[in-house]
Amino acid sequence: NAGVTQTPKFQVLKTGQSMTLQCAQDMNHNSMYWYRQDPGMGLRLIYYSASEGTTDKGEVPNGYNVSRLNKREFSLRLESAAPSQTSVYFCASSNQKGWKLFFGSGTQLSVL
Amino acid sequence: AQTVTQSQPEMSVQEAETVTLSCTYDTSESDYYLFWYKQPPSRQMILVIRQEAYKQQNATENRFSVNFQKAAKSFSLKISDSQLGDAAMYFCAYPTSGTYKYIFGTGTRLKVLA
Repeated sequence: NAGVTQTPKFQVLKTGQSMTLQCAQDMNHNSMYWYRQDPGMGLRLIYYSASEGTTDKGEVPNGYNVSRLNKREFSLRLESAAPSQTSVYFCASSNQKGWKLFFGSGTQLSVL
Repeated sequence: AQTVTQSQPEMSVQEAETVTLSCTYDTSESDYYLFWYKQPPSRQMILVIRQEAYKQQNATENRFSVNFQKAAKSFSLKISDSQLGDAAMYFCAYPTSGTYKYIFGTGTRLKVLA
């Protein structure tokens, strides 16, 4: 099993460009998450999806949109990238309350 | 609001010694779970240990153990016989009940000195 697959691993954008980060899990998990990691700030939740067909805002949703395409896939879109969105992005999934998060390998995004 | 606080941005420990990383949290729930994750330079997120709040016994995984003080809302991680491979960022995390949102602390960077 691949677990959580996240693409791309690295991306450089210019201010104002758009892009979509892709995430897929093959563990039949209900819940999926997008986090961003910045130095000194830990992992902050951008959006999450408790189940297929539902999405909810996390702590830092501004500037992002998400799509839970099906049970496997949960994408994160930046419509107009800003330098403040330079960060490492992680996708994660989980199956039940209290169980661990399974993480993707992360995306290093730089917005110039 | 539920929060997770790690007050030690950085810690150092000599190889083979013991170190304790602190974590406090705030919740009104009575039944919940707590986690410690390790992030080495590879950026991979690795589960270290998991504690169930309704269990009074502290969780242990080999050299890693926790000191869980429910009344004080404290969840510290003890690493015994520290090894060079333990050098990493360590995050404390708490999944909120109902919404299943996992909240992370700001992390503690652990340096292991040879």
